[in-house]
Amino acid sequence: SQTIHQWPATLVQPVGSPLSLECTVEGTSNPNLYWYRQAAGRGLQLLFYSVGIGQISSEVPQNLSASRPQDRQFILSSKKLLLSDSGFYLCAWSGAGTGGTEAFFGQGTRLTVV
Amino acid sequence: AQKITQTQPGMFVQEKEAVTLDCTYDTSDPSYGLFWYKQPSSGEMIFLIYQGSYDQQNATEGRYSLNFQKARKSANLVISASQLGDSAMYFCAMREGSGGSYIPTFGRGTSLIVHP
Repeated sequence: SQTIHQWPATLVQPVGSPLSLECTVEGTSNPNLYWYRQAAGRGLQLLFYSVGIGQISSEVPQNLSASRPQDRQFILSSKKLLLSDSGFYLCAWSGAGTGGTEAFFGQGTRLTVV
Repeated sequence: AQKITQTQPGMFVQEKEAVTLDCTYDTSDPSYGLFWYKQPSSGEMIFLIYQGSYDQQNATEGRYSLNFQKARKSANLVISASQLGDSAMYFCAMREGSGGSYIPTFGRGTSLIVHP
């Protein structure tokens, strides 16, 4: 069966420090991968998505970047965190192509920038 | 313009009663999928139910059913016989079918509280 792992679960980082959040998927190949951010009490904002290795699309100009070095690995990074980067970050995957499959989410990372 | 609209920021329901959470969507794509997710306080997003734009019948999954009214572009979630464990945020989402990576777009969510 397919599983998705996201870590760390919580993170407190000072302003100006770098960030690296990692997400890996098991049990499937060539998944579509997504990074979402959820501000407190808000919906999910799509940050990045990827349909293949090295293929990253950004939905919103950010202080963040994403990379997909392997088929089932998706990394969210920042060189210098801002206070506004605080939030709940969720990684998700879905089946490749245009099928009607749902997106499956990781457990999320609660990031607090201080 | 928002593609997914959830107009109820909060809902309250008595245990064992049914509750309907509203969702309207906006798309010109004839092929799309509609989803509902539950997010408990732990933060994980739990998939509940899916409805395809070409599906003739409303989707059902246990106590969850999706009231799909295509002409009105609404996809309301009905939870029958509410349980205390149903207290959570609920998100409606849509994936459009053509020309792209079929990215899920989410509404702002509805907070459901089930009273004993």
